Amino acid sequence: SYVLTQPPSVSVAPGQTARITCGGNNIGSKSVHWYQQKPGQAPVLVVYDDSDRPSGIPERFSGSNSGNTATLTISRVEAGDEADYYCQVWDSSSDHYVFGTGTKVTVL
Amino acid sequence: QVQLQESGPGLVKPSETLSLTCTVSGGSISSYYWSWIRQPPGKGLEWIGYIYYSGSTNYNPSLKSRVTISVDTSKNQFSLKLSSVTAADTAVYYCARGHSHYDILTGYYKGIWFDPWGQGTLVTVSS
Repeated sequence: SYVLTQPPSVSVAPGQTARITCGGNNIGSKSVHWYQQKPGQAPVLVVYDDSDRPSGIPERFSGSNSGNTATLTISRVEAGDEADYYCQVWDSSSDHYVFGTGTKVTVL
Repeated sequence: QVQLQESGPGLVKPSETLSLTCTVSGGSISSYYWSWIRQPPGKGLEWIGYIYYSGSTNYNPSLKSRVTISVDTSKNQFSLKLSSVTAADTAVYYCARGHSHYDILTGYYKGIWFDPWGQGTLVTVSS
């Protein structure tokens, strides 16, 4: 089955840029979606189809996808961005859905 | 604005069947892929499966033998049944709306993303 690998944690100072990676075999050929999950809350979609943002999501959240790595970038990080982030793709070979291992973003 | 709300028992005995319902408000259940996703305590997300409003289903192969997802369009609800549960099935269960999309140039199907999600409900498997 298709595997998505994320770093367990990323630390960033307020105002700086956080980059969260999602690795998978030829993930650049897939459509990647990103979710933010704050403690005790349900996940919220922050980026879909590699780089599109749902309405209401700040422009500080952006995404890219190429080769074997997709990246969620959070610019001008705020304390409120502290959360777990998950990537997700559709595995076309099996017609099933896969989530990444998750990355905890800590704002210093 | 569409909202989803899970409901069902919070405690299920081992070997019994877990049953949850998701009620959709603020929009019709027609169209979209209505999905279930779970998260064991302290762990990551696992896709369980979905049902299209017409009734077609797709399940995670690791759970397929135990999972049934159904839809009741008259009530704007869809449901999850997971049989023969064990402690490993203890998790927060989320329902979510799945959006399908296609490549603009080729028309190829690109899968679905999940938005919005319900608040989640913790189901504990214990005697």
